[in-house]
Amino acid sequence: EPEVTQTPSHQVTQMGQEVILRCVPISNHLYFYWYRQILGQKVEFLVSFYNNEISEKSEIFDDQFSVERPDGSNFTLKIRSTKLEDSAMYFCASKLGRQETQYFGPGTRLLVL
Amino acid sequence: QKEVEQNSGPLSVPEGAIASLNCTYSDRGSQSFFWYRQYSGKSPELIMSIYSNGDKEDGRFTAQLNKASQYVSLLIRDSQPSDSATYLCAVNVVNFGNEKLTFGTGTRLTIIP
Repeated sequence: EPEVTQTPSHQVTQMGQEVILRCVPISNHLYFYWYRQILGQKVEFLVSFYNNEISEKSEIFDDQFSVERPDGSNFTLKIRSTKLEDSAMYFCASKLGRQETQYFGPGTRLLVL
Repeated sequence: QKEVEQNSGPLSVPEGAIASLNCTYSDRGSQSFFWYRQYSGKSPELIMSIYSNGDKEDGRFTAQLNKASQYVSLLIRDSQPSDSATYLCAVNVVNFGNEKLTFGTGTRLTIIP
């Protein structure tokens, strides 16, 4: 069964460093998302991406964040200068079409020291 | 701000009994609703989707939707210890044609053997 994959599974970085989180969505899906979940809190929407551009972004997704789909398979989230409060699980999700189910990857646990 | 409310629990249910999980949402325009299961440290895993008023059954799981009351529920029959997890209610919120999931805080369910 097709699934969303994410790498790395864990990332530890120093405050101020850049990190890139990678995702491979399900191959025929058209809509791509990043969510994050701070430990003990709810899953929060960061950004949606469709037709090679950002559809919507949340207040969390400030100028330090960017997304890219550099080729036909990868979808990346870059945090330019990490802060302590960026420590969280980051989930990539994809879906086939409007109103369809979003399928989540296993997540990347990011720890900023 | 479109909100999704769940009782955070914990909810303890004896093995073999019915577990009942509830969720209310604020966005009257939402048309699709999802229940995800999340084990500790893992990503959300789809249990059920529901789009129309009424009941939808899949094995031991039944989702119920009442759009007039803005209420979604999930029943788990013949509860098993492996059902112990956090159950996330998610609502597909549409904003100027763009879709994203808004999650509740989740209900932690413990099945007691």
